[in-house]
Amino acid sequence: NAGVTQTPKFQVLKTGQSMTLQCAQDMNHEYMSWYRQDPGMGLRLIHYSVGAGITDQGEVPNGYNVSRSTTEDFPLRLLSAAPSQTSVYFCASREVGNTEAFFGQGTRLTVV
Amino acid sequence: AQTVTQSQPEMSVQEAETVTLSCTYDTSESDYYLFWYKQPPSRQMILVIRQEAYKQQNATENRFSVNFQKAAKSFSLKISDSQLGDAAMYFCAYRGYSGGGADGLTFGKGTHLIIQP
Repeated sequence: NAGVTQTPKFQVLKTGQSMTLQCAQDMNHEYMSWYRQDPGMGLRLIHYSVGAGITDQGEVPNGYNVSRSTTEDFPLRLLSAAPSQTSVYFCASREVGNTEAFFGQGTRLTVV
Repeated sequence: AQTVTQSQPEMSVQEAETVTLSCTYDTSESDYYLFWYKQPPSRQMILVIRQEAYKQQNATENRFSVNFQKAAKSFSLKISDSQLGDAAMYFCAYRGYSGGGADGLTFGKGTHLIIQP
Protein backbone atom coordinates (compact mmCIF):
# COMPACT_ATOMS: atom_id res chain seq x y z
CA ASN A 1 0.00 0.00 0.00
CA ALA A 2 1.75 3.16 -1.25
CA GLY A 3 -0.17 5.70 0.91
CA VAL A 4 0.47 9.28 -0.22
CA THR A 5 2.96 9.72 -3.05
CA GLN A 6 4.47 13.06 -4.01
CA THR A 7 6.53 13.77 -7.10
CA PRO A 8 9.10 15.12 -7.63
CA LYS A 9 11.09 14.95 -4.38
CA PHE A 10 13.35 17.84 -5.38
CA GLN A 11 12.93 20.63 -7.92
CA VAL A 12 14.78 23.81 -8.89
CA LEU A 13 12.86 26.46 -10.82
CA LYS A 14 13.75 29.82 -12.25
CA THR A 15 11.68 32.83 -11.28
CA GLY A 16 8.63 33.07 -13.50
CA GLN A 17 8.54 29.40 -14.48
CA SER A 18 5.48 27.29 -13.86
CA MET A 19 5.24 23.75 -12.59
CA THR A 20 2.92 21.23 -11.01
CA LEU A 21 3.62 19.27 -7.86
CA GLN A 22 1.90 15.92 -8.02
CA CYS A 23 0.13 14.17 -5.15
CA ALA A 24 -1.63 10.82 -5.33
CA GLN A 25 -3.17 8.65 -2.62
CA ASP A 26 -4.49 5.11 -2.86
CA MET A 27 -6.53 5.00 0.36
CA ASN A 28 -9.75 6.39 -1.13
CA HIS A 29 -9.59 9.37 1.22
CA GLU A 30 -12.03 12.19 0.59
CA TYR A 31 -9.93 14.92 2.19
CA MET A 32 -6.63 16.05 0.68
CA SER A 33 -4.52 19.06 1.47
CA TRP A 34 -1.29 20.88 0.66
CA TYR A 35 1.05 22.46 3.22
CA ARG A 36 4.28 24.37 2.97
CA GLN A 37 7.06 24.25 5.54
CA ASP A 38 9.53 27.10 5.84
CA PRO A 39 12.63 27.19 8.13
CA GLY A 40 11.69 27.91 11.73
CA MET A 41 8.00 27.52 10.93
CA GLY A 42 5.52 24.76 11.26
CA LEU A 43 3.51 23.59 8.29
CA ARG A 44 0.97 26.05 6.90
CA LEU A 45 -2.12 25.08 4.94
CA ILE A 46 -2.20 26.23 1.29
CA HIS A 47 -5.32 24.57 -0.19
CA TYR A 48 -7.54 21.65 0.63
CA SER A 49 -10.25 19.52 -0.93
CA VAL A 50 -13.07 17.50 0.63
CA GLY A 51 -13.80 15.53 -2.52
CA ALA A 52 -13.59 15.47 -6.30
CA GLY A 53 -14.61 18.81 -7.77
CA ILE A 54 -14.43 20.64 -4.43
CA THR A 55 -11.49 22.78 -3.36
CA ASP A 56 -10.98 25.67 -0.96
CA GLN A 57 -8.26 28.00 0.25
CA GLY A 58 -6.19 27.58 3.35
CA GLU A 59 -4.00 30.05 5.22
CA VAL A 60 -1.48 30.87 2.45
CA PRO A 61 -3.15 30.28 -0.96
CA ASN A 62 -1.68 33.16 -2.98
CA GLY A 63 0.41 32.07 -5.96
CA TYR A 64 -0.98 28.52 -5.98
CA ASN A 65 -3.81 26.79 -7.82
CA VAL A 66 -5.35 23.39 -7.22
CA SER A 67 -7.97 21.16 -8.80
CA ARG A 68 -9.45 17.81 -7.85
CA SER A 69 -10.77 15.86 -10.81
CA THR A 70 -10.42 12.43 -9.15
CA THR A 71 -10.45 11.12 -5.59
CA GLU A 72 -6.86 9.94 -5.95
CA ASP A 73 -5.06 13.02 -7.27
CA PHE A 74 -4.63 16.56 -5.96
CA PRO A 75 -2.00 18.50 -7.93
CA LEU A 76 -0.62 21.85 -6.80
CA ARG A 77 0.23 24.37 -9.54
CA LEU A 78 2.63 27.27 -9.34
CA LEU A 79 1.73 29.55 -12.23
CA SER A 80 4.71 31.94 -11.98
CA ALA A 81 7.26 30.84 -9.42
CA ALA A 82 8.77 33.41 -7.06
CA PRO A 83 11.74 33.07 -4.66
CA SER A 84 9.26 33.43 -1.77
CA GLN A 85 7.84 30.06 -2.81
CA THR A 86 11.09 28.30 -1.97
CA SER A 87 9.92 25.78 0.60
CA VAL A 88 9.20 22.16 1.37
CA TYR A 89 5.72 21.14 0.26
CA PHE A 90 3.71 18.36 1.86
CA CYS A 91 0.56 16.70 0.64
CA ALA A 92 -1.70 14.94 3.14
CA SER A 93 -4.89 12.93 3.03
CA ARG A 94 -7.44 11.53 5.47
CA GLU A 95 -11.00 10.39 5.71
CA VAL A 96 -13.27 13.36 6.42
CA GLY A 97 -14.56 11.88 9.64
CA ASN A 98 -11.20 10.53 10.79
CA THR A 99 -8.56 12.21 12.90
CA GLU A 100 -5.36 10.86 11.40
CA ALA A 101 -3.77 12.58 8.40
CA PHE A 102 -1.28 10.69 6.25
CA PHE A 103 1.56 12.74 4.79
CA GLY A 104 3.64 12.31 1.67
CA GLN A 105 7.43 12.49 1.78
CA GLY A 106 7.51 16.13 0.76
CA THR A 107 8.91 18.06 -2.20
CA ARG A 108 11.80 20.44 -1.69
CA LEU A 109 11.34 23.33 -4.13
CA THR A 110 13.96 25.99 -4.74
CA VAL A 111 13.14 29.06 -6.86
CA VAL A 112 16.19 30.99 -8.06
CA ALA B 1 -8.02 32.04 14.03
CA GLN B 2 -6.43 29.35 16.08
CA THR B 3 -2.79 29.61 17.08
CA VAL B 4 -0.39 26.99 18.43
CA THR B 5 2.68 28.00 20.43
CA GLN B 6 5.71 25.87 21.19
CA SER B 7 7.93 27.91 23.46
CA GLN B 8 10.97 25.59 23.39
CA PRO B 9 12.88 25.84 20.10
CA GLU B 10 15.29 23.15 21.28
CA MET B 11 15.45 20.60 24.07
CA SER B 12 18.20 18.19 25.06
CA VAL B 13 17.89 15.04 27.16
CA GLN B 14 20.12 12.16 28.15
CA GLU B 15 19.31 8.77 26.71
CA ALA B 16 16.92 6.81 28.97
CA GLU B 17 15.75 9.99 30.73
CA THR B 18 12.32 11.63 30.53
CA VAL B 19 11.63 14.86 28.68
CA THR B 20 8.52 17.03 28.37
CA LEU B 21 7.77 19.23 25.38
CA SER B 22 5.38 22.13 25.88
CA CYS B 23 2.53 23.31 23.69
CA THR B 24 -0.19 25.88 24.24
CA TYR B 25 -2.98 26.83 21.88
CA ASP B 26 -5.65 29.43 21.52
CA THR B 27 -9.16 28.64 20.30
CA SER B 28 -12.75 29.61 20.87
CA GLU B 29 -14.03 26.18 19.85
CA SER B 30 -15.14 23.55 22.34
CA ASP B 31 -14.60 20.51 20.12
CA TYR B 32 -11.23 19.94 18.50
CA TYR B 33 -8.31 17.56 18.15
CA LEU B 34 -4.71 17.93 19.21
CA PHE B 35 -1.73 16.08 17.80
CA TRP B 36 1.98 15.64 18.21
CA TYR B 37 3.93 14.90 15.04
CA LYS B 38 7.54 13.79 14.77
CA GLN B 39 9.71 14.86 11.85
CA PRO B 40 13.08 13.07 11.67
CA PRO B 41 15.81 14.17 9.25
CA SER B 42 14.12 12.05 6.57
CA ARG B 43 11.45 14.80 6.50
CA GLN B 44 8.58 12.32 6.92
CA MET B 45 5.74 13.56 9.16
CA ILE B 46 4.90 10.81 11.66
CA LEU B 47 1.91 10.95 13.98
CA VAL B 48 3.04 10.30 17.55
CA ILE B 49 -0.13 10.77 19.54
CA ARG B 50 -3.56 12.37 19.32
CA GLN B 51 -6.09 13.70 21.82
CA GLU B 52 -9.77 14.46 21.36
CA ALA B 53 -10.78 17.51 23.39
CA TYR B 54 -13.98 15.88 24.67
CA LYS B 55 -11.97 13.10 26.32
CA GLN B 56 -10.78 13.89 29.82
CA GLN B 57 -8.37 10.97 29.91
CA ASN B 58 -4.87 11.78 28.69
CA ALA B 59 -3.74 9.81 25.64
CA THR B 60 -0.87 7.35 25.94
CA GLU B 61 1.08 5.48 23.28
CA ASN B 62 3.81 3.29 24.74
CA ARG B 63 6.58 5.67 25.93
CA PHE B 64 4.67 8.74 24.79
CA SER B 65 1.97 10.39 26.86
CA VAL B 66 0.31 13.78 26.98
CA ASN B 67 -0.83 16.11 29.71
CA PHE B 68 -3.97 17.74 28.32
CA GLN B 69 -5.27 20.70 30.31
CA LYS B 70 -8.31 21.98 28.43
CA ALA B 71 -9.04 24.97 30.65
CA ALA B 72 -5.43 26.10 30.45
CA LYS B 73 -5.27 25.26 26.72
CA SER B 74 -2.11 23.29 27.29
CA PHE B 75 -1.02 20.05 25.61
CA SER B 76 2.42 18.81 26.61
CA LEU B 77 4.16 15.66 25.38
CA LYS B 78 6.14 13.46 27.75
CA ILE B 79 8.66 11.02 26.34
CA SER B 80 9.83 8.41 28.82
CA ASP B 81 12.99 6.32 28.52
CA SER B 82 14.28 8.51 25.68
CA GLN B 83 15.97 6.66 22.84
CA LEU B 84 18.40 7.85 20.18
CA GLY B 85 15.68 7.27 17.58
CA ASP B 86 13.51 9.87 19.29
CA ALA B 87 15.81 12.65 18.07
CA ALA B 88 13.73 14.77 15.68
CA MET B 89 11.64 17.91 15.31
CA TYR B 90 8.37 17.64 17.18
CA PHE B 91 5.34 19.62 16.10
CA CYS B 92 2.21 20.25 18.09
CA ALA B 93 -0.87 20.64 15.88
CA TYR B 94 -4.52 21.62 16.31
CA ARG B 95 -7.54 20.76 14.22
CA GLY B 96 -10.92 22.24 14.85
CA TYR B 97 -14.28 20.78 14.06
CA SER B 98 -16.23 23.83 13.02
CA GLY B 99 -15.76 23.05 9.33
CA GLY B 100 -17.59 19.76 9.58
CA GLY B 101 -14.43 17.77 9.04
CA ALA B 102 -12.90 20.12 6.48
CA ASP B 103 -10.63 21.89 8.89
CA GLY B 104 -6.91 21.74 8.22
CA LEU B 105 -4.13 21.42 10.76
CA THR B 106 -2.61 24.43 12.50
CA PHE B 107 0.98 23.72 13.54
CA GLY B 108 3.34 25.20 16.09
CA LYS B 109 6.87 26.14 15.04
CA GLY B 110 8.35 22.97 16.42
CA THR B 111 10.81 21.81 19.07
CA HIS B 112 14.11 20.26 18.06
CA LEU B 113 14.76 17.34 20.41
CA ILE B 114 18.36 16.22 20.90
CA ILE B 115 19.13 12.92 22.60
CA GLN B 116 22.53 12.77 24.30
CA PRO B 117 24.02 9.24 24.38
